[in-house]
Amino acid sequence: EVQLVESGGDLVQPGGSLRLSCAASGFTFSSYAMSWVRQAPGKGLEWVSALSGSSDYIYYADSVKGRFTISRDNSKNTLFLQMNSLKSEDTAVYYCARGGIDYKHFDYWGQGTLVTVSS
Amino acid sequence: DIQMTQSPSTLSASVGDRVSITCRASGNIYSRLAWYQQKPGKAPKLLIYRASNLESGVPSRFSGSESGTEFTLTISNLQPDDFASYYCQQYDSYALTFGGGTKVEIK
Repeated sequence: EVQLVESGGDLVQPGGSLRLSCAASGFTFSSYAMSWVRQAPGKGLEWVSALSGSSDYIYYADSVKGRFTISRDNSKNTLFLQMNSLKSEDTAVYYCARGGIDYKHFDYWGQGTLVTVSS
Repeated sequence: DIQMTQSPSTLSASVGDRVSITCRASGNIYSRLAWYQQKPGKAPKLLIYRASNLESGVPSRFSGSESGTEFTLTISNLQPDDFASYYCQQYDSYALTFGGGTKVEIK
């Protein structure tokens, strides 16, 4: 059974940093592209960043470029999102999601972890 | 970036109804469109990919179609479990983008 479990969400002050993790199990992690998708309270879905299976290709939304860094450790089946210079508008539930058969849509999602940026 | 315009934002319907949700892409996305269902407090669930391909395990009352840059999700014979929010997503190119969402409510 495919499982994605996010952790690391917390309350952080504006300008602060946070590192999210997503532990994967039930599939060959290194064979799949992975993404982070976020959802602000009461709002829609926003794609944040994507990473190929071998980390050769990395993409970011303009809203986080230069502040967030996506990475993965295939030996530990874990995806990461390092978030720096956090702003109030980064407040959201952050989901990790597995790339589906067409790589860039998402066939499995984690349960999400809440990041709150506030003073 | 490709923009996705989804309508309506809210839809009121009854059990047994046939409902349709539309997404219009701002450019050609070559059928690279997915539909997701999301219930409150839960992660999204993939329903359809490549505009009309039903994800494994998804009931056949869900279907997807396309006409040019306009994409439609249709739910026939609406069931109580279908009252939720629905999102389209284009994946032709990065930045990946979602529609604004449609909430299907009980009339």
